[in-house]
Amino acid sequence: AQTVTQSQPEMSVQEAETVTLSCTYDTSESDYYLFWYKQPPSRQMILVIRQEAYKQQNATENRFSVNFQKAAKSFSLKISDSQLGDAAMYFCAYRSSFMDSNYQLIWGAGTKLIIKP
Amino acid sequence: GAVVSQHPSWVICKSGTSVKIECRSLDFQATTMFWYRQFPKQSLMLMATSNEGSKATYEQGVEKDKFLINHASLTLSTLTVTSAHPEDSSFYICSAREVARSIQYFGAGTRLSVL
Repeated sequence: AQTVTQSQPEMSVQEAETVTLSCTYDTSESDYYLFWYKQPPSRQMILVIRQEAYKQQNATENRFSVNFQKAAKSFSLKISDSQLGDAAMYFCAYRSSFMDSNYQLIWGAGTKLIIKP
Repeated sequence: GAVVSQHPSWVICKSGTSVKIECRSLDFQATTMFWYRQFPKQSLMLMATSNEGSKATYEQGVEKDKFLINHASLTLSTLTVTSAHPEDSSFYICSAREVARSIQYFGAGTRLSVL
């Protein structure tokens, strides 16, 4: 079975600085998807970024980028120019590409990101 | 991104009553929807997966007779907590899978408080 591990329960960063959140996963599959979701205090889950395993190029979305290391099974999220609105819980998630997985997401435990003004 | 509407956002009910939570995909069709439960400061726990027109698949340990799920259309799934008890108090979140981009979009969640 697949697992997702986020080893940092909490991280803090100074506003305008860069922070990297770690995520590792375990799978025997070669094709899958990886996601970072953000859950601010409102508790609305928001998709931050998505990566397809077959793509070697790291995904980027404005100030958010990932470092996807397939061999190492690592999927870290880098947030550049941190803003107060980035304060939230960040969850890493894995999804198999196989239909019999019912497209379920496997979740990490989350990392609480604190932005210091 | 696609929008998923979840209603109500907060409900308080008496012990023994039933509560229905609705989850709607507003601008896309969702053949698959998911229901999660989230305890304070924890990750999401999948309760069940519902596919339009068929019975929901429940995760181990989730009572299907207590948490009734109906996915009667491509845009609507409902979760009914039957005979609610204080231990059912929690935050419930739904999500819907957008087929085109293979992404789950989430509702804003429902806080259930059972007195």
